[in-house]
Amino acid sequence: GEDVEQSLFLSVREGDSSVINCTYTDSSSTYLYWYKQEPGAGLQLLTYIFSNMDMKQDQRLTVLLNKKDKHLSLRIADTQTGDSAIYFCAEGGGTNAGKSTFGDGTTLTVKP
Amino acid sequence: KAGVTQTPRYLIKTRGQQVTLSCSPISGHRSVSWYQQTPGQGLQFLFEYFSETQRNKGNFPGRFSGRQFSNSRSEMNVSTLELGDSALYLCASRSRLDNSPLHFGNGTRLTVT
Repeated sequence: GEDVEQSLFLSVREGDSSVINCTYTDSSSTYLYWYKQEPGAGLQLLTYIFSNMDMKQDQRLTVLLNKKDKHLSLRIADTQTGDSAIYFCAEGGGTNAGKSTFGDGTTLTVKP
Repeated sequence: KAGVTQTPRYLIKTRGQQVTLSCSPISGHRSVSWYQQTPGQGLQFLFEYFSETQRNKGNFPGRFSGRQFSNSRSEMNVSTLELGDSALYLCASRSRLDNSPLHFGNGTRLTVT
């Protein structure tokens, strides 16, 4: 079945860039998503990319997609302490459009 | 626009009881999905409803059921609760039945003792 994998932890200094990586298996995925979860909250949609795109930029966020390697990354520029959270990569269901498969999440810790 | 609203935020139940969780989607969204989030298993898809019909179902036992009403609001029911059902239950809505993104509520934290 579909699978999405991410590294579990990332620690950066405030002001540095953060890069969170993700690999997925379902080549029929047409959308790939990044969500953010803060303690005690649900998942907040950060950004998403259509599978025919290589890159998408949205303010401090840059998403890169390598469809050949099924690799997705999220770069956060000028990382702030408020960016500390769990970040989830998800693929948009592909042939099973009714559900999404999520990675286990990357815990980003931003040190002052 | 108001976001996805889930009630209640917290629930404490005893093994063997049943529980009903409620979700109101974003206005105009007709698809509602439910996910279970636990530290061990991560985010697991339960089911999705669209126009009062279940469209997809995850690998959960029959104790987990749901329904959707004509106003798109959805409820999820868990019967004969087990300790392992303790989790954060997240509801998400989307505008269409394609790969449009899910918008999540803040979840219901269920604790089974």
